[in-house]
Amino acid sequence: KNEVEQSPQNLTAQEGEFITINCSYSVGISALHWLQQHPGGGIVSLFMLSSGKKKHGRLIATINIQEKHSSLHITASHPRDSAVYICAVRNTDKLIFGTGTRLQVFP
Amino acid sequence: NAGVMQNPRHLVRRRGQEARLRCSPMKGHSHVYWYRQLPEEGLKFMVYLQKENIIDESGMPKERFSAEFPKEGPSILRIQQVVRGDSAAYFCASSWTSGGGRGNEQFFGPGTRLTVL
Repeated sequence: KNEVEQSPQNLTAQEGEFITINCSYSVGISALHWLQQHPGGGIVSLFMLSSGKKKHGRLIATINIQEKHSSLHITASHPRDSAVYICAVRNTDKLIFGTGTRLQVFP
Repeated sequence: NAGVMQNPRHLVRRRGQEARLRCSPMKGHSHVYWYRQLPEEGLKFMVYLQKENIIDESGMPKERFSAEFPKEGPSILRIQQVVRGDSAAYFCASSWTSGGGRGNEQFFGPGTRLTVL
């Protein structure tokens, strides 16, 4: 069993839909990251969370430390949101990554 | 303020050659992390370095791979006698501090895509 599990693995949506990606982890963490990787491969950090909720534009990230669970929400999804979304937890000084959720948003 | 820089962006090597991947952290960052993404797989931690010190190399293959972060200049990930299985994207990230707090947020470089023929 992976230390960081994401679901779903693949997700398709119509433009405008509300999207949720889930992340569960089984190790102790000091922070959780949500990352975005576009085709062509560059990685962008979306959020770093250690508690509660953060919002940036149409993106919202939440974390429940007791339940070891985080969610990434995208409101009013757009085709440019199509990418792989990766959950990563900080354990000691290194990041442990989920396998990613591949999102495709169709017009 | 430039972000994390990696070069080359693409590197092609024949089996048995050496590959050198460079990472220049963000200005003011003294902590560097290397991660590898094999084709169709997730990212995996390789090594964590501070200036002139290897802090954690638990993710590094025991042979052919080495990393350094000298007092001056970029961090180098070196792969000797490359094999086809080394073909992957290698990402570097940097942070200002380690431990808790915002200063430990890691910022990623664009990656080096290594292809071994």
